[in-house]
Amino acid sequence: LAKTTQPISMDSYEGQEVNITCSHNNIATNDYITWYQQFPSQGPRFIIQGYKTKVTNEVASLFIPADRKSSTLSLPRVSLSDTAVYYCLVGSYSSASKIIFGSGTRLSIRP
Amino acid sequence: GAVVSQHPSWVICKSGTSVKIECRSLDFQATTMFWYRQFPKQSLMLMATSNEGSKATYEQGVEKDKFLINHASLTLSTLTVTSAHPEDSSFYICSARVKFTLSPTDSRIYNEQFFGPGTRLTVL
Repeated sequence: LAKTTQPISMDSYEGQEVNITCSHNNIATNDYITWYQQFPSQGPRFIIQGYKTKVTNEVASLFIPADRKSSTLSLPRVSLSDTAVYYCLVGSYSSASKIIFGSGTRLSIRP
Repeated sequence: GAVVSQHPSWVICKSGTSVKIECRSLDFQATTMFWYRQFPKQSLMLMATSNEGSKATYEQGVEKDKFLINHASLTLSTLTVTSAHPEDSSFYICSARVKFTLSPTDSRIYNEQFFGPGTRLTVL
């Protein structure tokens, strides 16, 4: 399983775009990247998933460079409710895949 | 998206008692479920993988006789904390895995895990 490294914490302000980068130098060919969001005392919530290039959904974008050794979660125009912990995870297409959580990034949004 | 529920959402018990936590996939079947525990300000730690109809696979350092896992159906997995002690107080989270493919031309099997809301266990 590829190990992930993210910043421990980040601060931003309402209305700003926030980019959280995750490094996964040992990512394998069969691995993909998933980001989860977790609020206090709640289970993690799926945000976005991708394999390469760019993926966009209604809440975020995920940028993955050609070498796939890192990925960046982009949250457009954040609000106070985006204050949470964000986890970058590397999963495998293998049916035996299991998700191991790294330390995550604690994002704090200020008014 | 798929919904996973947990019951109870919180429980307080005396030291030495056993506590059972249920994890249900409400609108889909899950052959594989996972159990995590999370201490305050820390990340989720995988405890075990629960496979329907077979024994659970425990992560290193997790006592299988202490944390009993049963996955008797495709929609239900249970975690029983036996003879609970104050150090077992934690936030327990389950997840259910769904496998899917994106298109007929993409043979890769994606795995997505849907997480339950968690169960707060406090052992006095």
